[in-house]
Amino acid sequence: DAGITQSPRHKVTETGTPVTLRCHQTENHRYMYWYRQDPGHGLRLIHYSYGVKDTDKGEVSDGYSVSRSKTEDFLLTLESATSSQTSVYFCAIVRQVGTEAFFGQGTRLTVV
Amino acid sequence: DAKTTQPNSMESNEEEPVHLPCNHSTISGTDYIHWYRQLPSQGPEYVIHGLTSNVNNRMASLAIAEDRKSSTLILHRATLRDAAVYYCILRNNFGNEKLTFGTGTRLTIIP
Repeated sequence: DAGITQSPRHKVTETGTPVTLRCHQTENHRYMYWYRQDPGHGLRLIHYSYGVKDTDKGEVSDGYSVSRSKTEDFLLTLESATSSQTSVYFCAIVRQVGTEAFFGQGTRLTVV
Repeated sequence: DAKTTQPNSMESNEEEPVHLPCNHSTISGTDYIHWYRQLPSQGPEYVIHGLTSNVNNRMASLAIAEDRKSSTLILHRATLRDAAVYYCILRNNFGNEKLTFGTGTRLTIIP
C-alpha cells in the first residue's frame, strides 16, 4: 500500500455542476499528478504539482483546475462539469524526479 | 519530451515468454527507460527501469539495445494475471517532471 487515497471512488453528477476530486497521500512525496483515462487514449495528464502551491498544466487541462495547499492533498476541480469529462481519474505520487510512481485506485466520474 | 512507440496490442500463450518492444529513437543520454503496467480496473504499477545495462527483477527483465533507441520488456513465463496494458516511458532526474504516458501495449494471454 503506497499510502495514496482517492475520494470519492465513484460519482455521478449533472452537467454544469462543480465537482472536486481529492487525492490524499501519507508518504510526504513531493510530486502529485492527476490523469484521466478514456478508452483508446491511455493515460492523459491533466495537471501536476511539484510542491505546495506549485502546479502546472498537462496535456488536457482545459476545464480543470487544481490546488495544493498542503503536501498531502491535491484537489482536482471541474468548475462546470460536461459530459466529455465523464472518465476515470487517477492520481499519482512521486517522491522525487525519476523515482517510482504510485497510483491511486481511480475515481469513476459520470456526468449526465 | 522524448517519445516512445509501442504496438497497440499483443497476444501470447500462457506459460510462454513474452517480449514487449518499445522504440525510443530520440532518447537522450540522461533518460531512463521505465515500464509500468495496468491491470484491469486498477491504477498503473511500476514494473522495472534501466539506463544502459539489462535489468532483472522478480517481475520481469528489461533488455536495452546498445544504441538505447529501443528496449524490450521480457516476461519469462506469462500467466493469466499478466494480462494488462504495458507502458514504456522515458524519464530523467532533472527538472519538474511531467510524467506522461502513451497508449501502451495491451497484452492478452491465451490459456
